[in-house]
Amino acid sequence: GQSLEQPSEVTAVEGAIVQINCTYQTSGFYGLSWYQQHDGGAPTFLSYNALDGLEETGRFSSFLSRSDSYGYLLLQELQMKDSASYFCAVRRGSTLGRLYFGRGTQLTVWP
Amino acid sequence: NAGVTQTPKFRVLKTGQSMTLLCAQDMNHEYMYWYRQDPGMGLRLIHYSVGEGTTAKGEVPDGYNVSRLKKQNFLLGLESAAPSQTSVYFCASSYPGRGETQYFGPGTRLLVL
Repeated sequence: GQSLEQPSEVTAVEGAIVQINCTYQTSGFYGLSWYQQHDGGAPTFLSYNALDGLEETGRFSSFLSRSDSYGYLLLQELQMKDSASYFCAVRRGSTLGRLYFGRGTQLTVWP
Repeated sequence: NAGVTQTPKFRVLKTGQSMTLLCAQDMNHEYMYWYRQDPGMGLRLIHYSVGEGTTAKGEVPDGYNVSRLKKQNFLLGLESAAPSQTSVYFCASSYPGRGETQYFGPGTRLLVL
C-alpha cells in the first residue's frame, strides 16, 4: 500500500516563509509532485522532484530526500493569493504515471 | 486553447438515476484520468486511460464505468447513483510518461439525494 502524511493546516503572515512537509510510504516510487488548489478551483501543478535535492521555481521551491521518504514545499515572500490547499502526490509507475495524493494542507496567509 | 473542460458543472441526481460526465481536452494528451474529491480528502483516482480505446481501474472504481472512444474525450458513467457518490469529480490529462504533470478541468459537483 501507500500513505502520504502532510499537516492539515498551516498559517503564516504576508511576506513570511512557510514550509509544508510531506512524508510518504509507497512501493514503486518515481517522484514527488506538488499541486495547489484554491477554494472551488481545480488543482494546478506546481513542481516535481524525481531526484534528491531542491528545485526552485520563482517564490516556490520543492525538496526531496528519497532516503528519508520525505519532501517539502517552501513558499517564500508569502502573498494573500497563496492562501490555498497544497497537495503532495507520489508518482507510482515509470510509464503509467499514476499519482497518489495526500489529504492536503490548508495554508492561510494573514495580512 | 481551452485546456481541459468538463460538462456539466453541477448536477443533482436521485438515488438510482444514471448520468454521464464528459471530459474533453485539446492538448493532444494521450493520458486521461478521472478523480473524485471529498471534503478533507485528497484526490482519489477512479479510472484512467493511456490512449484511445483503453481504460483501467484506479483506486476507487466501484460504481463507475468509463469510455475513451476518441483521444480527446473521456467519459465517466454512473449507472445507478448512490448518495456515497456525492462528490466533486475532476478530469485530468497528461503527456505519456509525464503523469506527474497533470492538467485538471474545473470539476463537476454532483449531489445524489
